[in-house]
Parts: sequence; C-alpha cells; structure tokens
Amino acid sequence: GQSLEQPSEVTAVEGAIVQINCTYQTSGFYGLSWYQQHDGGAPTFLSYNALDGLEETGRFSSFLSRSDSYGYLLLQELQMKDSASYFCAVIKAAGNKLTFGGGTRVLVKP
Amino acid sequence: DADVTQTPRNRITKTGKRIMLECSQTKGHDRMYWYRQDPGLGLRLIYYSFDVKDINKGEISDGYSVSRQAQAKFSLSLESAIPNQTALYFCATSAARGDTEAFFGQGTRLTVV
Repeated sequence: GQSLEQPSEVTAVEGAIVQINCTYQTSGFYGLSWYQQHDGGAPTFLSYNALDGLEETGRFSSFLSRSDSYGYLLLQELQMKDSASYFCAVIKAAGNKLTFGGGTRVLVKP
Repeated sequence: DADVTQTPRNRITKTGKRIMLECSQTKGHDRMYWYRQDPGLGLRLIYYSFDVKDINKGEISDGYSVSRQAQAKFSLSLESAIPNQTALYFCATSAARGDTEAFFGQGTRLTVV
C-alpha cells in the first residue's frame, strides 16, 4: 500500500485557503515534494522541502515536519485554475525511488 | 518541443498482444521512471533506471519489462497485454541522486480490450 497518505478530495470556493496534508510511514528520505496535475495533463513540480519548516512560492506554501512524519501544501487565494490533483512525493534513500502519495483532488467552486 | 516525449499518446490493443511504449528525453538526465496511473490510486512506480546499465523494479513490475536503449530513451513493454493493464502511463526523468524534481511526459493512455 501507499506509504504516503493524503485526503482523496477537498472542495473550496474561490478566494479561500486549502491545506492538503500528507502523512507518511517512511524514513530515510531526502525531502518532500509536491506536484500538481490538471485533468488530462502531466504532473508538474510545485515545491520541495528538504528541511523542516515552511517554503513559500507565491500563493502556494509547503511545510515539512520530519519529527511528526507530516507535511502539507497550502493553497491561498484559491482560483478556478487551481482545480487539479495534488500529489506529495519522496525519494526514499533505500533504492532511491521517487514515490508518490495517492493524490488529493481539489475542486474550486465560484 | 517537449523535454520528455512519449509515444504513442493513445493506444487501443487486444488482450494477448505485445505492446511497447516509448519515452525519449532531451534534458540530459540519467534517471528515468515509468509510472502507471489509475483513478484513486495515484502514480505507482513500475520500473526505474539510473543509467543504461542500472534498471530496477518498482512496486508493480509484474507483467511489464523495460529497456534503456540509451541515456535518452527508456521503453516500457507489455509482453502479453491484459485488460487490467488499461491505464494512463507516464514516463519521468530526474537529474541526480536525491533530486525530487521530476519532469513528466504527457502520458500514454492505453486501453486493452
């Protein structure tokens, strides 16, 4: 099964803030990444946390806490174009595999 | 032109047929991956390769094989396709050890009937 757990779906209105959590049961990884995928499209890289703490990139922020085995992606000032699936991912030190969570579908309503 | 190109983009094939999905990249990356995406299951790793001589099985390699013909090319084969291999397949590349920024192709939608 997946060692990275995410909620399956989140719905919010334009202008709102959404937090997508990612909890993991793996150790020995290089950092936590986030990807966005629009329907019919390819996943695209959003952010990467190598160290604990918050990384901010425009309206999106990502957070990692290794002690809590937890991270999140924060989407602020939601826009209709943010409707997409969002995946957390790690590269495990053992085997060096890039492994993804199951993804969270975000639906933004007017 | 796309940095990571997959061919074909769509394919319908019959049960028992052999099919090859191809991936080529112009990013000069050593690491290449094949993923399968099914609704609700996210991206699952089939095979990955760190260079031409280093190929590794992922979570769901049964029923699949791969070939790394060159640094830029990584092909996925289904030797005898079955209907539950109907899925969206993605190829991805990354640059270096520990580099979690992966670049994806546009995907191949495969239907096995």
